[in-house]
Amino acid sequence: DIQMTQSPSSLSASVGDRVTITCRASQGISNYLVWFQQKPGKAPKPLIYAASSLQSGVPSRFSGSGSGTDFTLTISSLQPEDFATYYCQQYKSYPVTFGQGTRLEIK
Amino acid sequence: EVQLVESGGGLVQPGGSLRLSCAASGFTFSSYWMSWVRQAPGKGLEWVANIKQDGGDKYYVDSVKGRFTISRDNAKNSLYLQMNSLRAEDTAVYYCATYCSATSCDLGMRFDYWGQGTLVTVSS
Repeated sequence: DIQMTQSPSSLSASVGDRVTITCRASQGISNYLVWFQQKPGKAPKPLIYAASSLQSGVPSRFSGSGSGTDFTLTISSLQPEDFATYYCQQYKSYPVTFGQGTRLEIK
Repeated sequence: EVQLVESGGGLVQPGGSLRLSCAASGFTFSSYWMSWVRQAPGKGLEWVANIKQDGGDKYYVDSVKGRFTISRDNAKNSLYLQMNSLRAEDTAVYYCATYCSATSCDLGMRFDYWGQGTLVTVSS
């Protein structure tokens, strides 16, 4: 199975900050990666697909990069509605696996 | 508008069975691979199972193989998860989600649409 490891597990930041979350795959997955945002009590929402393509309707302050084993999600200027938990997910092979999540909190 | 509405969750004793349903609308259900994803209380996301458009291919996470069965009825725009031999560690919110269509699969899109989830609690 491909293990996905996110860092950090939690992060405190302020509105307007630039934030980067990292996801590392235990083996190469090319660009077969999706990033999700999840707010408490809600279903996850896809943000980025194929590692760097912005999902329709997602603000341009979100961006993704990486290929192979190392990936990043960047939020260029945090907004109040961005405080949530973020997950990466690989679809290179079964079983589909998610990272453990990164909780982004208000400082 | 795409809608996925799960039902069938509840409290069940260890060793018991439960059948989850997901009613889909607002898109061409038969064009999509479909998925079940779960989330234990306070924990992260775990993919459970996928089923191909025609129901011919199915994939499961190891922890549910032999106990859970994913199925679909394209005529009824419905997805199902039959869960047998339930364990305490199966306690979670179960989400129905679109995995991808022929077009979106090629683009690398996954899990575009999700239901609101249904809670399954396995406890005596």
